[in-house]
Amino acid sequence: ELKVEQNPLFLSMQEGKNYTIYCNYSTTSDRLYWYRQDPGKSLESLFVLLSNGAVKQEGRLMASLDTKARLSTLHITAAVHDLSATYFCAVDITSGTYKYIFGTGTRLKVLA
Amino acid sequence: DSGVTQTPKHLITATGQRVTLRCSPRSGDLSVYWYQQSLDQGLQFLIQYYNGEERAKGNILERFSAQQFPDLHSELNLSSLELGDSALYFCASSVGDMEGGGYTFGSGTRLTVV
Repeated sequence: ELKVEQNPLFLSMQEGKNYTIYCNYSTTSDRLYWYRQDPGKSLESLFVLLSNGAVKQEGRLMASLDTKARLSTLHITAAVHDLSATYFCAVDITSGTYKYIFGTGTRLKVLA
Repeated sequence: DSGVTQTPKHLITATGQRVTLRCSPRSGDLSVYWYQQSLDQGLQFLIQYYNGEERAKGNILERFSAQQFPDLHSELNLSSLELGDSALYFCASSVGDMEGGGYTFGSGTRLTVV
């Protein structure tokens, strides 16, 4: 069964601290995406990672992809309250049908 | 505004009823995707249409159906509604079918079945 697992599921951290969210997936894919969702809101695209070793950075967030390990990370540097949200990774499955499979989500709360 | 328009934003209906959710993709996008987000199931892919044709099917119940019209807007029809169908339903769009870009999501329709 295809699985996309994120950990941790919940993360409470102090402002100014660093942390990493992990996204593991169980099938071959070289396309992975990160999204942010605020409570009751839509999903906002953060990063598109399209090859092994891809690294993208935007502000305090940096995402990377290791397709051999089937692992992506979302690293948070010097967290601020505005980063509080739920973060989803999504794996692009191209095994005959074309669709995303979303991870379980990581609910991040940054404490002032 | 992401460019993907979903209506209505909120819908409250009774069990056994039928509803239609509407999605207009971003200008120029040919693919439309429907997702269901609930607390216990997370984000579940339902179905994809590309330029009017069904392209991929995920965990969509037989009580649910969708279509994409010539003007590329899409409708998701939910029938014989059950309490467990209460969820946020998102539509997303993309330019093509197999390109590697991200999706653009609409703001969602919150369906409450009472």
